Amino acid sequence: EIVMTQSPASLSVSPGERATLSCRASQSISSKLAWYQQKPGQSPRLLIYGASTRATGIPDRFSGSGSGTEFTLTISSLQSEDFAVYYCQQYSNWPPGPGFGQGTKVQIK
Amino acid sequence: QLQLQESGSGLVMPSQTLSLTCAVSGGSISSGGYSWNWIRQPPGKGLEWIGYIYQNGNTYYNPSLKSRVTISVDRSENQFSLRLSSVTAADTAVYYCARAEVMIVPYFHYWGQGTLVTVSS
Repeated sequence: EIVMTQSPASLSVSPGERATLSCRASQSISSKLAWYQQKPGQSPRLLIYGASTRATGIPDRFSGSGSGTEFTLTISSLQSEDFAVYYCQQYSNWPPGPGFGQGTKVQIK
Repeated sequence: QLQLQESGSGLVMPSQTLSLTCAVSGGSISSGGYSWNWIRQPPGKGLEWIGYIYQNGNTYYNPSLKSRVTISVDRSENQFSLRLSSVTAADTAVYYCARAEVMIVPYFHYWGQGTLVTVSS
């Protein structure tokens, strides 16, 4: 089973600053990685798939990079609506199927 | 615009069976090309994929839950359902339905709003 590990667990950032979130896979998943944003009381929203492709309607301040086992989500200039929890998800490994990281909470500094 | 809406019992007794339905609007389950998924999230915790069904009825389940899970589809009602048997407090979670493109291991473009299921006597 592939284990997805996100770091840091939480991140305090000022509006307008850059945020860099990391996700590591316990074995290679090529580029089969997605990122989601989840705000309190809401369902997750797909941001990135294929490690670096933005989903429809996602602003270009969100960018993803990486392949193999190391991945990064960068938010270039944080807006107030970007404070949320971010999850990575691998879609490479069967069994057991899709697996998520434990999340990174981006908070206002 | 595709919309997914979960419904079902919000309180289930331990050892009983949890039953949820996801109503799909703005698109047809019968059109093919997608998998219809269930994902859950215990309060304050991360996400766990439960399984999915294709419009032809083929299913794939998370091996850790496979012995207790059944996902079915009702094409005439444009909805799909989840049954989870022998529930315990560990099954307390927000349950989401979601749509993905056809692939053995999917990622999820569209999500329902989620429904909280509490397992308690």
